[in-house]
Amino acid sequence: DTAVSQTPKYLVTQMGNDKSIKCEQNLGHDTMYWYKQDSKKFLKIMFSYNNKELIINETVPNRFSPKSPDKAHLNLHINSLELGDSAVYFCASSHPGLAGNIQYFGAGTRLSVL
Amino acid sequence: EDKVVQSPLSLVVHEGDTVTLNCSYEVTNFRSLLWYKQEKKAPTFLFMLTSSGIEKKSGRLSSILDKKELSSILNITATQTGDSAIYLCAVEKGTGANSKLTFGKGITLSVRP
Repeated sequence: DTAVSQTPKYLVTQMGNDKSIKCEQNLGHDTMYWYKQDSKKFLKIMFSYNNKELIINETVPNRFSPKSPDKAHLNLHINSLELGDSAVYFCASSHPGLAGNIQYFGAGTRLSVL
Repeated sequence: EDKVVQSPLSLVVHEGDTVTLNCSYEVTNFRSLLWYKQEKKAPTFLFMLTSSGIEKKSGRLSSILDKKELSSILNITATQTGDSAIYLCAVEKGTGANSKLTFGKGITLSVRP
C-alpha cells in the first residue's frame, strides 16, 4: 500500500522513441507534481496539477506532456526522446495549504536514453 | 531568480561524530523551509520550519531556521552509518495550489564505521 507509486521503475529506450511514466497516489491529496533529478542529484520541478488542472509549468520542452485523468493520477508522456532526457523522474503529491506544502515522493523512474 | 544553496556539497565523517548541514536561500514570498533525506530512492520528509528560532527535533536530528540570516541548519548527533544519504533543503513559496518547492543541490553525507 505504497502512498505514491510510479511505474515503471526503470526505462531504457532509444533516442527518438516516445514513452510514458505513470503515477498514482492514495493519500487523498489534491496536488501532484513531476520533478526531474539529473546526474548531479539536482531535483527540479517540471509540472504541478491541482484537481486535474495544470498549475505549474516550468520551462520544459513541449515534448513533455503531463496528463491528469483524476486527482489521484498524474502521467508524463515524453515524445522524441533525447539523450539529455536521461534522468530520474519523481512524482510527488501534497495537500498545500495554511499548514504548508509537505510533499511525498514516489520511488522514481530511472530513464536511460541510448 | 530564487536560490537555495547548501553547504558543504559533501561530507565524510566517522560514526559517533556530530555534523551540521547548512542551507541558505534567496526566495521572494518565503513561506517555509523543508529538509528531506534521500537514500537510494524517494526523498523522505524530515522537517518543515516556518518560524525563526524554534528548533524542531526528531531523535538525533534537529533543525532550526533563521529568517534574519535567510538560512537553516540541520544537525545530526552521534551519527550512524544509516545516516549516510543526500540531505535536501527546499524552500516553499506561493500559497495553496500555487505553492512551489525550490530545492538546493543537496549535501551528500557519508558516515564511515
